Amino acid sequence: DTAVSQTPKYLVTQMGNDKSIKCEQNLGHDTMYWYKQDSKKFLKIMFSYNNKELIINETVPNRFSPKSPDKAHLNLHINSLELGDSAVYFCASSQGMAGDEQFFGPGTRLTVL
Amino acid sequence: AQSVSQHNHHVILSEAASLELGCNYSYGGTVNLFWYVQYPGQHLQLLLKYFSGDPLVKGIKGFEAEFIKSKFSFNLRKPSVQWSDTAEYFCAVRTQGGKLIFGQGTELSVKP
Repeated sequence: DTAVSQTPKYLVTQMGNDKSIKCEQNLGHDTMYWYKQDSKKFLKIMFSYNNKELIINETVPNRFSPKSPDKAHLNLHINSLELGDSAVYFCASSQGMAGDEQFFGPGTRLTVL
Repeated sequence: AQSVSQHNHHVILSEAASLELGCNYSYGGTVNLFWYVQYPGQHLQLLLKYFSGDPLVKGIKGFEAEFIKSKFSFNLRKPSVQWSDTAEYFCAVRTQGGKLIFGQGTELSVKP
C-alpha cells in the first residue's frame, strides 16, 4: 500500500492553463505539506495544513491555492500557469508539526510549455 | 533567516571509498535534524534523524551522522559506499515552528 500518493505523476500543459495536483495519505497523519523542487533539485516548502487548517504559507504566488477537504487529502490548484512553475511538486505528511519524520509522495513533474 | 548549507554540490567516489557529506545550519534554537536520500526517479526517503540524546546517530544502509552543536553541523558518513548509494542527499533542519528547511542537496555518484 502506498503511504503518500500523488496524481498525476507527470503533467505537461500550456502557459495560462489551470491545473490541479492531488495528494492522499493513508498513514492517519494530521499534517500535510506541499514542496516545490526546482531544476537544481532545491526543495522548498510551499504550504502546510494541520487538521485541514492552513499553518504554513510561504511566499508563494496566490495563483497557487491548496485545498484540504479532509485530513487525508491535500490538493494543489494552480491558476494561470507560467514557465517558472515547471518543477517537481512533492506532497508529504507527518503526525503533528513537531512530530516524527515527514513521509514524501513520489512527486509530480509539472512541465509548462 | 534559518538556512541549511551543504558543502558539496557533487561528489564522485569509487566503490568502497569512505563518504562524508557536510551540512551546516543557521538557527539558534532547538532543532531536529534529518538526512533524506532521493534515488534517481524516486521520492525522498529518510536515512536518519536526530532529536536529542547521543549525537552520533545511525540510520539505514550503514549511514551515520554526528551532530556537533558547537559547530551547527550534522555531517553524514558511511565507511564504504556502494554503487547503489548513487543518489541525491538532502540535509534538513526542522525548527520549533515545525518548518522543514532543506539544504541544496549533494549529488553522490559512485563508480563501480
